[in-house]
Amino acid sequence: NAGVTQTPKFQVLKTGQSMTLQCAQDMNHNSMYWYRQDPGMGLRLIYYSASEGTTDKGEVPNGYNVSRLNKREFSLRLESAAPSQTSVYFCASTPRASQDYNEKLFFGSGTQLSVL
Amino acid sequence: AQSVTQLGSHVSVSEGALVLLRCNYSSSVPPYLFWYVQYPNQGLQLLLKYTTGATLVKGINGFEAEFKKSETSFHLTKPSAHMSDAAEYFCAVSDMGTYKYIFGTGTRLKVLA
Repeated sequence: NAGVTQTPKFQVLKTGQSMTLQCAQDMNHNSMYWYRQDPGMGLRLIYYSASEGTTDKGEVPNGYNVSRLNKREFSLRLESAAPSQTSVYFCASTPRASQDYNEKLFFGSGTQLSVL
Repeated sequence: AQSVTQLGSHVSVSEGALVLLRCNYSSSVPPYLFWYVQYPNQGLQLLLKYTTGATLVKGINGFEAEFKKSETSFHLTKPSAHMSDAAEYFCAVSDMGTYKYIFGTGTRLKVLA
């Protein structure tokens, strides 16, 4: 199984450009997440989708939008990229449903984004 | 909202020495806690997780963590460090009542030969 697949792996944007980060999982998981990782700040939750058809804001949603296209796919869009969005972005998923708080996250390998 | 705090952004140990990485949580109810490891240029993978029950949790690669309610801690240990343990380690908590997973700021472990 491929697990969680993120595309692209690397991207360089100019300030003001837009782009969509793609994420797909083949494990029939219910919940999907987008995190950003910055030095000294750990992983911060941008948006998550508890189930198909729902999305919610995380800790740092400003400047981002998401779409849960179907159960497999969860995309992250930057409408007008800013240098502050230079980061490594991780998608994750979990089979978790309802109050299964002990389900682990499965992570993709990340997208390294630079905004100039 | 629940949170976790990791003390020490960088830890260095000699090969064969004890590894101790610290994590404290803030929660008024029994939390669901996790430790993840990230090797260079990779995503995160689960080392171990605590649910209700046994306070000493064993994970992969010889790591274990002890849940101490009185200290609100969930520190990660390994008796003898190996060069291959060099990585970044994250403590995380499953936020009760939501579907969020909240991560600490991470500790980068360096193993010295």
